[in-house]
Amino acid sequence: AQTVTQSQPEMSVQEAETVTLSCTYDTSESDYYLFWYKQPPSRQMILVIRQEAYKQQNATENRFSVNFQKAAKSFSLKISDSQLGDAAMYFCAYRSPYNNNDMRFGAGTRLTVKP
Amino acid sequence: DSGVTQTPKHLITATGQRVTLRCSPRSGDLSVYWYQQSLDQGLQFLIQYYNGEERAKGNILERFSAQQFPDLHSELNLSSLELGDSALYFCASSPQSRNYGYTFGSGTRLTVV
Repeated sequence: AQTVTQSQPEMSVQEAETVTLSCTYDTSESDYYLFWYKQPPSRQMILVIRQEAYKQQNATENRFSVNFQKAAKSFSLKISDSQLGDAAMYFCAYRSPYNNNDMRFGAGTRLTVKP
Repeated sequence: DSGVTQTPKHLITATGQRVTLRCSPRSGDLSVYWYQQSLDQGLQFLIQYYNGEERAKGNILERFSAQQFPDLHSELNLSSLELGDSALYFCASSPQSRNYGYTFGSGTRLTVV
């Protein structure tokens, strides 16, 4: 079964600086999808960015970008120009095209943004 | 508004009681997923439905059950409630296309006293 590991339970960043959140996963599948979700204090789960495994180009959404290393099974999230509103729990997720499109989540990384 | 509607937003009930959580998926989405998130914990997958049929089961207790109706809304039934069942329960929906992530509802916060 696929597993998703977020090795950083907590991270902090100074406002306007850049921070990278780590995620690794274990799979034997060649085709899959990866996601980062944000959960602010409101507890709403918000999709931040997604990456298709067959695409070599790293996904970017405004200040959010990923570093996808398929061979290393690594999928890190970079937040540039961090803002106070970026403070949240961030979950990495793996979605299989098989197994009923099952999505697996990591344990999460709590990001604090210091003013 | 994510398009996934969960009711109620908050629920307080006593141990031993039974409650029903409701979810309406985003328009056009056939799949519904239920997750449990205890305080400061990750997301625990409970169960998945696709177009009315159960597709996958996760760590769902026997005291819990769910169903998806012909109009695609889903209900999660929790019975013989215990203090440890206090959590945030999320419903998510997804289109058939697998390159989309899940769209989550705002959750139902259940407190068992």
